[in-house]
Amino acid sequence: AQSVTQPDIHITVSEGASLELRCNYSYGATPYLFWYVQSPGQGLQLLLKYFSGDTLVQGIKGFEAEFKRSQSSFNLRKPSVHWSDAAEYFCAATLSGTYKYIFGTGTRLKVLA
Amino acid sequence: GAGVSQSPRYKVAKRGQDVALRCDPISGHVSLFWYQQALGQGPEFLTYFQNEAQLDKSGLPSDRFFAERPEGSVSTLKIQRTQQEDSAVYLCASSLTGGFNEQFFGPGTRLTVL
Repeated sequence: AQSVTQPDIHITVSEGASLELRCNYSYGATPYLFWYVQSPGQGLQLLLKYFSGDTLVQGIKGFEAEFKRSQSSFNLRKPSVHWSDAAEYFCAATLSGTYKYIFGTGTRLKVLA
Repeated sequence: GAGVSQSPRYKVAKRGQDVALRCDPISGHVSLFWYQQALGQGPEFLTYFQNEAQLDKSGLPSDRFFAERPEGSVSTLKIQRTQQEDSAVYLCASSLTGGFNEQFFGPGTRLTVL
């Protein structure tokens, strides 16, 4: 069955530290991949997406993600975290030509001052 | 408006009551989606409209759930005889075209069933 896994439910980092959020997918073919951020009381905001091509994808707010086919992973990274990055992060996937997103269970990021 | 809007933002219902949740998609967006997000979980697909046509309702958890988009813009998700397990955030998303395209999400409606 198709699935998206985010192994870390909670992550805490200090402000200014680097961040990596993990995402693994299980699909028969390479899906389209997304990272969304959800702040309290807000909808999901797209950070970045991968369809094909360059495996290192740049997004908004200084985030980037790297697609690794061999590991079925699409990890999100940021070199230096800001307090405003505290939120919940969701990885999602869908197959080419389809509209049905499958989301991971999310990683809640806490940032220490 | 600039984005997807949903109303009400919060809804408390007594078990057995009917509720109606509204979604205003981005103007001109053809596709509209409803998702259910239970506490501590990621959003799960409920249903998909292309204009006024409901092309996929495979994610609706029971026949108590009903969605419509009669004029191809505003959509309403209705839940009849609410149960405690219906408590969740209901997210609406829209996209510009049919089929695959980036989905833009609304802020959601948090439904609490007592």
